[in-house]
Amino acid sequence: DTEVTQTPKHLVMGMTNKKSLKCEQHMGHRAMYWYKQKAKKPPELMFVYSYEKLSINESVPSRFSPECPNSSLLNLHLHALQPEDSALYLCASSRMLANTGELFFGEGSRLTVL
Amino acid sequence: AQSVTQLGSHVSVSEGALVLLRCNYSSSVPPYLFWYVQYPNQGLQLLLKYTSAATLVKGINGFEAEFKKSETSFHLTKPSAHMRDAAEYFCAVRAKMYSGGGADGLTFGKGTHLIIQP
Repeated sequence: DTEVTQTPKHLVMGMTNKKSLKCEQHMGHRAMYWYKQKAKKPPELMFVYSYEKLSINESVPSRFSPECPNSSLLNLHLHALQPEDSALYLCASSRMLANTGELFFGEGSRLTVL
Repeated sequence: AQSVTQLGSHVSVSEGALVLLRCNYSSSVPPYLFWYVQYPNQGLQLLLKYTSAATLVKGINGFEAEFKKSETSFHLTKPSAHMRDAAEYFCAVRAKMYSGGGADGLTFGKGTHLIIQP
């Protein structure tokens, strides 16, 4: 079982909706990540929070908004999405003291935008 | 910028045969390299990682990989394929990410779909 928990597992939303994806880890990791994965493609990094400080992939549109309430929680707020935003959204965490550390991934949230 | 290239989007082997999945890296500094596996509709699971402690790295499920600096490679192997090995495999390198905090993240190769023939 993964130690990174994502909810919901599936989400269907219209283009005018506002929704959020949630992620939680209790491994004491101080870095958390959002990745987007389209079908048959590799994951692409969207955002990183390291000690609650945000790093951004500047190609990600502003309709995606990350939030890190504390070091264990990560949210991705979704607003006015487009059908092409339909994808698997993966959350991950890692230790930050060693840059050799692997990322631990959740099972993902499958998003469908109608 | 650090990156990895996976050769072969699909690899098909017979059950019991050797599995070889290729990954080459591009890095101006010693890289930290990883292999992940993804089963359908699931997240990514770490198979093994290279962090310069040893060039031959053993991972889970009987997989191993050898870091070869002269060839800039980190190929994944398994002596005998099993049906349960059918999945998508990603090679990844740890790299500095984007603007703002400059945190590390993983950059993935395009992936190799492993097919096991009975």
